[in-house]
Amino acid sequence: AQSVTQPDIHITVSEGASLELRCNYSYGATPYLFWYVQSPGQGLQLLLKYFSGDTLVQGIKGFEAEFKRSQSSFNLRKPSVHWSDAAEYFCAVVAATDSWGKLQFGAGTQVVVTP
Amino acid sequence: EADIYQTPRYLVIGTGKKITLECSQTMGHDKMYWYQQDPGMELHLIHYSYGVNSTEKGDLSSESTVSRIRTEHFPLTLESARPSHTSQYLCASRMSGGPLHFGNGTRLTVT
Repeated sequence: AQSVTQPDIHITVSEGASLELRCNYSYGATPYLFWYVQSPGQGLQLLLKYFSGDTLVQGIKGFEAEFKRSQSSFNLRKPSVHWSDAAEYFCAVVAATDSWGKLQFGAGTQVVVTP
Repeated sequence: EADIYQTPRYLVIGTGKKITLECSQTMGHDKMYWYQQDPGMELHLIHYSYGVNSTEKGDLSSESTVSRIRTEHFPLTLESARPSHTSQYLCASRMSGGPLHFGNGTRLTVT
């Protein structure tokens, strides 16, 4: 069965420290991968996406993610966290052949930033 | 910034009422989606559409219905709201091959 797992429900990080959010997927087909961020009371904003090519992708707000096919992972990283990065982060996957584009989302990771 | 709008942002309504959640996008996207999101849970796809007069049910069974009479408009209707329908509803759209763009959501509470 297809699945997207974000093992960490909640992460607390100090401002200025590095952040890594994990995402693992189980997909039979070639995946397209996404990270979204959701601030309280808001919709989801796309941070970055991976379709093909270079496995290290850069996104907005200083985030990057690395696709590792052998590990079925697409972890999100930021070298130095800002207080405004406190939000919920969702990993999402869709099969490259899915013309409907029905993304499957992980359960999300809540990030808390402390001073 | 994507132009996709949802109204109302918040809705508190009594059991048995009929409600319609509005979603409009000005980007000319052909594909539109409705997701249901509960706190601490992943988003679940409840409806999607690939164009005018096309609607499909998503992976999560829902008692709601949708329509797509115009490209830019994808409303969701609950004929008789129940407390179990309390949730956040997110509308999204995309062009073929492009990423999803989300609205800010409607938080529905049924008392």
